[in-house]
Amino acid sequence: RKEVEQDPGPFNVPEGATVAFNCTYSNSASQSFFWYRQDCRKEPKLLMSVYSSGNEDGRFTAQLNRASQYISLLIRDSKLSDSATYLCVVNIGDMRFGAGTRLTVKP
Amino acid sequence: EPEVTQTPSHQVTQMGQEVILRCVPISNHLYFYWYRQILGQKVEFLVSFYNNEISEKSEIFDDQFSVERPDGSNFTLKIRSTKLEDSAMYFCASSETAGWGNTEAFFGQGTRLTVV
Repeated sequence: RKEVEQDPGPFNVPEGATVAFNCTYSNSASQSFFWYRQDCRKEPKLLMSVYSSGNEDGRFTAQLNRASQYISLLIRDSKLSDSATYLCVVNIGDMRFGAGTRLTVKP
Repeated sequence: EPEVTQTPSHQVTQMGQEVILRCVPISNHLYFYWYRQILGQKVEFLVSFYNNEISEKSEIFDDQFSVERPDGSNFTLKIRSTKLEDSAMYFCASSETAGWGNTEAFFGQGTRLTVV
């Protein structure tokens, strides 16, 4: 089983749509979890940390289910500028990345 | 805003040559990392470094690779004898606290290495 596994995508959605990304991880001892965003040929940048209680930042909501070893990201009212690759990242002492899910938001 | 800086932004080298990729992590950060991303593929962990020694390394980080913190600010990745398959974007990252903990890693803009 891969360390961090994500929906393969790509997701192509219209502006204003709601889109959800899923991620599973294999190491049950993982301590912290993140969603990073990566634009084409750029470095990954932190979108948000993921807490056990779930957390929201504007249009973005992240959820963590430790029992199922599952993380999700929900984007509401998607914008053209949300087009990017979304990376699920699990901290096992160092950051391990999923392969990423590419999102394209179209007008 | 403090940032991780990497030089050069693009390096072209001949197969078999040695390359050194340079990084200046954020000044109060204690953990340093190198990752690579082959074009179109996932970000892959290479190595983490803390307290002047390697903390973890992946199977990719073989004897061809080495890391060093030669002074108080630079963190370097050396590839001794480059191969075509080493062509990738190499990202340096740093984080403030120990790897275990809800602390984000900040990434540099990357060095694109092209081996010809």
